[in-house]
Amino acid sequence: DVKVTQSSRYLVKRTGEKVFLECVQDMDHENMFWYRQDPGLGLRLIYFSYDVKMKEKGDIPEGYSVSREKKERFSLILESASTNQTSMYLCASSFFLAGGSGANVLTFGAGSRLTVL
Amino acid sequence: GNSVTQMEGPVTLSEEAFLTINCTYTATGYPSLFWYVQYPGEGLQLLLKATKADDKGSNKGFEATYRKETTSFHLEKGSVQVSDSAVYFCALSDRSSASKIIFGSGTRLSIRP
Repeated sequence: DVKVTQSSRYLVKRTGEKVFLECVQDMDHENMFWYRQDPGLGLRLIYFSYDVKMKEKGDIPEGYSVSREKKERFSLILESASTNQTSMYLCASSFFLAGGSGANVLTFGAGSRLTVL
Repeated sequence: GNSVTQMEGPVTLSEEAFLTINCTYTATGYPSLFWYVQYPGEGLQLLLKATKADDKGSNKGFEATYRKETTSFHLEKGSVQVSDSAVYFCALSDRSSASKIIFGSGTRLSIRP
């Protein structure tokens, strides 16, 4: 029944390392998201993708990049990890029709907790 | 711009108590409203939703009504259980774009046996 899978639940990396967080969904959703979750700050959108090879910056894109080469896979990349990127990272996907009557329901993965030392 | 404000936690209740978690929003147009729940060690999952004014979303004994006049979407449950201990997020989705989703800061709920 698992629909959004994040490849790593826990990662520990060193400052300056390149980090890849992988996310795969099996629901054929067009939209995929990467959020960062920090205590007291809720969820903040890092990047959003609405189609293969298409992406939009979210609220906090600095220090991150993304890749979506296939519809089901959305990767978050930290080019040079820093300690202030220690956080919980959540991937989500959705099907959404702009202006339609349906709701934009997100399906989330279990999260990847990254610690940068 | 759009925003969501929900009551700060943590909230601690005894089992079988009545629960209310307040959520208010500001938005242009007619957004959809959601409550998501995050159990320990897991990602968020949809608890309930409402897509238009006066709609009531309900699931697992939880309810919330979309009140346009008060711009609110308060979460309620008549009798909480220990298993309801989790973090609850109120969220708003703009109809114009899939990416325009705003989350509240979350309310941690702990239920004592």
